[in-house]
Amino acid sequence: DSGVTQTPKHLITATGQRVTLRCSPRSGDLSVYWYQQSLDQGLQFLIQYYNGEERAKGNILERFSAQQFPDLHSELNLSSLELGDSALYFCASSVGQGTTDTQYFGPGTRLTVL
Amino acid sequence: ILNVEQSPQSLHVQEGDSTNFTCSFPSSNFYALHWYRWETAKSPEALFVMTLNGDEKKKGRISATLNTKEGYSYLYIKGSQPEDSATYLCASLYSNYQLIWGAGTKLIIKP
Repeated sequence: DSGVTQTPKHLITATGQRVTLRCSPRSGDLSVYWYQQSLDQGLQFLIQYYNGEERAKGNILERFSAQQFPDLHSELNLSSLELGDSALYFCASSVGQGTTDTQYFGPGTRLTVL
Repeated sequence: ILNVEQSPQSLHVQEGDSTNFTCSFPSSNFYALHWYRWETAKSPEALFVMTLNGDEKKKGRISATLNTKEGYSYLYIKGSQPEDSATYLCASLYSNYQLIWGAGTKLIIKP
C-alpha cells in the first residue's frame, strides 16, 4: 500500500458525460501527478500540481482539467467523454516538486466509456 | 516531441539467468531518469532515480547505470527469480518538468 488513495475504483459512463476522479496523496506529499494508461499503451503523463499550483503539463486534452485543493487532495475532471477516453487513470504523489523525488502511485481508477 | 524508448518490448528469461534491458532518451535538457517496476494488477513502484552521468544504483539483485551524454540507461537483474516478472518502466525528466515515460519492457521469468 503506497498511501495514495483514489476513488472510485471503477467508473462506467456514457459518451458525452462528465466525471470526476479523486486522489488523496500520501501524508506529507505536496505534489500530485495524473497519468492515463490506455489499452496497449504506456503511461501518459497528464498534469502535475505542487502545493495547489500547476507545475507541469503533459498531453492533457482541453476537455480534461484538474485542480489541487488546500488539503492537497486533487481531482481530475473529464468532460464530453469519448470512447477513446476509456483507460486506467493513475494518480501519484511525491514529497517535493518532482525533480528527483520518488513518485508513489495509487491503485488507479478504471474508466469505461460506453 | 520527446520520446523515450525501451527495448526489448518483452523478454523471456530462465530462472537463475541474468538479464538486462535498455532505456533510450533524448539527452538534451535532461534532468533525471526514473526506473519503476510494475506488476500486473498493481501500481508502479519506484526502483531508482538517477541524475548524474556514470551514476550506478543497486537494490538487491537489481542495478542500473546511466549515460546522460549518449542518452541511455541499462537495468540489470542478476539471477532472475519468478518474483522479478513484471513490466519495467523508465521515465526521463526534463528541465521543463516534463516526465516522459517509455512503454516498458515486460519481463517473464520461466521456472
